[in-house]
Amino acid sequence: EDKVVQSPLSLVVHEGDTVTLNCSYEVTNFRSLLWYKQEKKAPTFLFMLTSSGIEKKSGRLSSILDKKELFSILNITATQTGDSAVYLCAVDRSSNTGKLIFGQGTTLQVKP
Amino acid sequence: KAGVTQTPRYLIKTRGQQVTLSCSPISGHRSVSWYQQTPGQGLQFLFEYFSETQRNKGNFPGRFSGRQFSNSRSEMNVSTLELGDSALYLCASSLRPLAGDSQETQYFGPGTRLLVL
Repeated sequence: EDKVVQSPLSLVVHEGDTVTLNCSYEVTNFRSLLWYKQEKKAPTFLFMLTSSGIEKKSGRLSSILDKKELFSILNITATQTGDSAVYLCAVDRSSNTGKLIFGQGTTLQVKP
Repeated sequence: KAGVTQTPRYLIKTRGQQVTLSCSPISGHRSVSWYQQTPGQGLQFLFEYFSETQRNKGNFPGRFSGRQFSNSRSEMNVSTLELGDSALYLCASSLRPLAGDSQETQYFGPGTRLLVL
């Protein structure tokens, strides 16, 4: 059965800290891995990773995929209170289904 | 360009009733997927529509159904509501189904929060 597992499930840090969120997966026909940030409502897209070892970066956020070890990390440096959210990892398979398989999410709380 | 819109945003129903939720994708997007999000189960795939055809369905009972119109707008219906159907229902759209080598991704709407009493 395809599954995506995120860790930790929750995390509390202080502003300025650096955090690393983990996502491991076991899926057939892997095509890409996506990271989303969910605050109050809809998940918003952060990154899509398809090639192993390539780092995607946007400001203080970066992510890397290891297709051999079947995991990805999302790194946030110099955290701010606005980074508080649930971070979701999802895997898309190349089976042309439109279905994303999501992990449970990591709830990040950044304290002032 | 306007994002994905969902209506209504909040809904309270009682057990046994039925409900219809609506989703309007981003203009030009023809693929619409529906997800159910609950604290216990997280985000789970319901179904996906493309060009008015259901292409895939998740592991949900037949009480959950949907359809897509020619303008790509989609509705999902839940009949004979149960307490466990209380959840945030999210709709996501993309230009086409996620496949191939494209960098296609899904963009989510704000969701409809359904409470079944």
